[in-house]
Amino acid sequence: EVHLVESGGGLVKPGGSLRLSCAASGFTFANAWMRWVRQAPGKGLEWVGQIKSKVDAGATAYAASVKGRVSISRDDSKNTLYLQMHSLKTEDTAVYYCTTDSAWHFDGDYYYRHETDYWGRGTLVTVSS
Amino acid sequence: SSEVTQDPAVSVALGQTVRITCQGVSVRGYRASWYQQKPGQAPVVVIYGQNSRPSGIPDRFSASSSGETSTLTITGAQAEDEADYYCNSRDSSTLLEVFGGGTRLTVL
Repeated sequence: EVHLVESGGGLVKPGGSLRLSCAASGFTFANAWMRWVRQAPGKGLEWVGQIKSKVDAGATAYAASVKGRVSISRDDSKNTLYLQMHSLKTEDTAVYYCTTDSAWHFDGDYYYRHETDYWGRGTLVTVSS
Repeated sequence: SSEVTQDPAVSVALGQTVRITCQGVSVRGYRASWYQQKPGQAPVVVIYGQNSRPSGIPDRFSASSSGETSTLTITGAQAEDEADYYCNSRDSSTLLEVFGGGTRLTVL
């Protein structure tokens, strides 16, 4: 069974830094693409960024709202995903979810995800003075 | 633009069929994934891929795509289907993921 457990959330002042971790089990982490998704209090889901597997060069991509302030990395030897955040703003306050990810395939008409994804329970980051 | 829009709220009578839509240029050419989120819980996939359901998701959930619209259909809505629903697609120009704003479903 897939398990994703986020940690590292907490209260941080504006301009501060924080590193979130996500411990993964129940699947071959090294082969998996992973992503972070966040949800501000009472708001919808927002994609934060993605990291591909080492086979796919470990390529990363980030949402415009966080690009330049966050970095996603992975330690396949520890089955752990990270989200390093710098220059935090009050609008970064959210529950941060670690999830598995997958490539988009093309069926001749549409692109589609060929695998379901799994989510952790999330960790709350509060940016406030 | 990568904006994907959903109706903020939809209601359905118990046992009836409800359709939740997701619209935008980022939906064109993509089969959106759909997520269900209940209060205090993490989102759960209800539809992905070519109208596939993960294990444990009832077959009353289905999805379709046409043009710039993706539609999640719940045939015979149950009380336990009351939740927020989000679509997920990809911006075809930036190739970055996008979520719709979410639809709160109320089962009457």
